[in-house]
Amino acid sequence: QQPVQSPQAVILREGEDAVINCSSSKALYSVHWYRQKHGEAPIFLMILLKGGEQKGHDKISASFNEKKQQSSLYLTASQLSYSGTYFCGTAPKPIQGAQKLVFGQGTRLTINP
Amino acid sequence: EAQVTQNPRYLITVTGKKLTVTCSQNMNHEYMSWYRQDPGLGLRQIYYSMNVEVTDKGDVPEGYKVSRKEKRNFPLILESPSPNQTSLYFCASSLFAGGRGTGELFFGEGSRLTVL
Repeated sequence: QQPVQSPQAVILREGEDAVINCSSSKALYSVHWYRQKHGEAPIFLMILLKGGEQKGHDKISASFNEKKQQSSLYLTASQLSYSGTYFCGTAPKPIQGAQKLVFGQGTRLTINP
Repeated sequence: EAQVTQNPRYLITVTGKKLTVTCSQNMNHEYMSWYRQDPGLGLRQIYYSMNVEVTDKGDVPEGYKVSRKEKRNFPLILESPSPNQTSLYFCASSLFAGGRGTGELFFGEGSRLTVL
């Protein structure tokens, strides 16, 4: 069953912050985040494992709350290059690999100057 | 350059005409997978392979076949394409699967298929 992402779309001005949520009805072991620019392949951002850890690089970070079966992606002081569609992928079993990863429907992020 | 290569990138075909979308990776990855992407539905897994000669169904396998005879190649076969298989297809690979490695997927550029 696909995880549910919210919002479906968001429009921001450069420098503003954004939060993208990913919720599952099933218990999760890991959550994977990808970004896809229009007409391109998805690119890996980060993976979060069971344990509630928060990860990040540059001004993009994420948290994972396995009790609530959800993850949130935080984009701080957004840049034009952050525009694209963000996908979360969830894995219910205790594996780190990409096997049987189930992706959400995506959140389209538009950053305007 | 490390990459996943898909061919063709664009294809228009007719119902019932068998076609194969090739996928090749040069990173010696064990795990490979096929996804289809449709508006509002995100990426849905069709088939995946844990290694040579090891394949399994994903969430939407109906109408598709795959094979993994060599580690680097993972072709997607549509024996009798139908209009509902019109979609954007992505092949992806990962170094390891099933509990090892980071799980990072490397995607190909995508193949846009139209079935009339």
